[in-house]
Formats: sequence, structure tokens, C-alpha cells
Amino acid sequence: DAGVIQSPRHEVTEMGQEVTLRCKPISGHNSLFWYRQTMMRGLELLIYFNNNVPIDDSGMPEDRFSAKMPNASFSTLKIQPSEPRDSAVYFCASSLWGSGAYEQYFGPGTRLTVT
Amino acid sequence: KNEVEQSPQNLTAQEGEFITINCSYSVGISALHWLQQHPGGGIVSLFMLSSGKKKHGRLIATINIQEKHSSLHITASHPRDSAVYICAVRWVVRRSGGGADGLTFGKGTHLIIQP
Repeated sequence: DAGVIQSPRHEVTEMGQEVTLRCKPISGHNSLFWYRQTMMRGLELLIYFNNNVPIDDSGMPEDRFSAKMPNASFSTLKIQPSEPRDSAVYFCASSLWGSGAYEQYFGPGTRLTVT
Repeated sequence: KNEVEQSPQNLTAQEGEFITINCSYSVGISALHWLQQHPGGGIVSLFMLSSGKKKHGRLIATINIQEKHSSLHITASHPRDSAVYICAVRWVVRRSGGGADGLTFGKGTHLIIQP
């Protein structure tokens, strides 16, 4: 298995632009998580989905952030408009909910820089 | 106030030493996670605990619910164990400022194992 795939790996954009981050979870996993990591705040769980349904988005910082999971093999995290303080590494992770192990498999991350 | 505290923040040890990393939290939790972040940025989920002890290879994780404390131990440490080790807790009662799913992360322990 290729593991969790994220794209792009690096994104540099200007303030005010729309940014879309993409994630392909491990085939067969039914839970998907979006995290953000910064030096100041560390790791934060933004939102997670079970069976493509958003369960808890209370970690999403502002209305400028939105996430979708149109099917079991694809999710997006969108920032519109982007701001310099959104610069961070965004990780996607997937797991098999209900297996009891709750082990999450992380993607390599997308490093976002907003200038 | 960060209610998940890790200690030490930084630890340098010699190959072969027994390593202990600590995580303390303020109130009741339903689960505690240990993650490993490699120097290149990749994240691996090591353990999820709600009670007792778990072991995987040279890694051992324990949790004491009454004392609100968990430890991660590494036996026969090796330079490849050099990484940041992050503790995360899921609160029983959701707390303000926490991420989605009531998940709050510690700041991490930077571990360096010298050959």
C-alpha cells in the first residue's frame, strides 16, 4: 500500500489566494483526520471524518477553512482567503475506526507558506 | 494554559541508555496517544492507552489514571530513536481551546541518541 498520500508537498502562495490541500487515505480506512502543525501551537486536530461524514470540525480555526470528503478515497482542505498566519505544515491521517486499535497513519504533510 | 505537560523538553543520551519521557495532564481523559515525529517531519502513531501498559518492540508505554500521568520508555536506545515524541490526550469533558474530538497535544520531547 502506498500509505496516505498528500499533495502538494509544498505550497507557496500570496495572501488572499485560495489554497487547496489534497489527501488520499489508505484504501479501506474509514476515518480521516486533518491536522495543522506550527512552531507556536504545535499539533492541532482541525477536523475528522468517519465514513466520509464530518464528525467534529471544532478545531477549524476560522470560516476561511473548509474541508470536504466527497468519497472514501479523497479529501480536501481549503483555505479561502489565505493569510500569512496560516503558514504551517498540514498533515492528513487515516485509520480504521472500530478496529479497537485506533492507530492513525499519517501522510508526509503539506508545507504551506503564505507570503 | 497548556494542560498537557511533557518532560523533559529536550533529552540527549548515549546509545544503549534507558530513556523515559513523561506526560502529565490536568483532568480526566478517555485516551492518551504517543506519537513519534522523525527529523524529516514524518509522524508515526506509537500507542493509544486508556489504562495499564503497552509494549511494542523496545518501546513501552504506561499510564496511571489516578495520578494523571503517562510515561514512554525506550530500552536499549539507538540513534535511530532520535525524534520528537508527542503526547496527546482526549478529554472526557471537552475543554475550551482544545482541538477537534477534544484532542490536545503536548509540545513534544526532543530526543537525541548519540552513538
